[in-house]
Amino acid sequence: DAKTTQPTSMDCAEGRAANLPCNHSTISGNEYVYWYRQIHSQGPQYIIHGLKNNETNEMASLIITEDRKSSTLILPHATLRDTAVYYCIVPFQGTYKYIFGTGTRLKVLA
Amino acid sequence: SAVISQKPSRDICQRGTSLTIQCQVDSQVTMMFWYRQQPGQSLTLIATANQGSEATYESGFVIDKFPISRPNLTFSTLTVSNMSPEDSSIYLCSVVGKTNEQFFGPGTRLTVL
Repeated sequence: DAKTTQPTSMDCAEGRAANLPCNHSTISGNEYVYWYRQIHSQGPQYIIHGLKNNETNEMASLIITEDRKSSTLILPHATLRDTAVYYCIVPFQGTYKYIFGTGTRLKVLA
Repeated sequence: SAVISQKPSRDICQRGTSLTIQCQVDSQVTMMFWYRQQPGQSLTLIATANQGSEATYESGFVIDKFPISRPNLTFSTLTVSNMSPEDSSIYLCSVVGKTNEQFFGPGTRLTVL
C-alpha cells in the first residue's frame, strides 16, 4: 500500500494558487517526500521534493509540517496546463521504490 | 535531468504474442525501474533493473511473463510475453537522478486484441 493519502480530486480557478495536501503519517525521520504530476497518460513529471524544510523551485513550493506527517504542494498561479494528476510519494526507507497511490486529479478552471 | 526515450510509443498486438519495449537513457544510470499503468489506474512497479544483476520483481510479477534485460548503463528492455487483453496498459521506465528523484520515460501504450 502507498504510504501517502491524498484527496481524489480538486478544482482551482486559473490564476489562483492551487494547494494540494498529502498525508504521510508513517513517514520515518530520514524519508523524503516527492511530488510528481502526470498529464493525460504521459510519463510522470518530477516537481519537487523535501525532507524537513520548505522548498521552492520554478514549478512549485513544498510546505512540510513540523511533525512531517503531512505536506502541501503549492502551485502559486495555476494555469490550464497544470491540469493533471498529482502524486505525493514517500519511497520506502533505504530504497528508491515508489508505491503510487491514486493521486489528486487537479482541474484548473478558466 | 535525464532524458529517456521508449520504443515503440504504442502498439496493437494479438493475443498470445510477445512485445519487447526498449528504454534508452541519455546518461549512465545504475538504477532503472519498469512500471505498468492499467487503464484508469495509477502506476504499479513491475521490477527494478540494475545493470550487472538480475532484475528484482515485485509481488504479482514474474520473470517468465515480464523478462527484463539490462545490458549496459543506458539501456533496458522489458518483454511482455504471451499477451492477453489484460496486459493492455501503458508501460513506463524510469531512472533515479542525482538527488534520488525519478525521471520517467514517455511510456509505451500497448493494446492487446
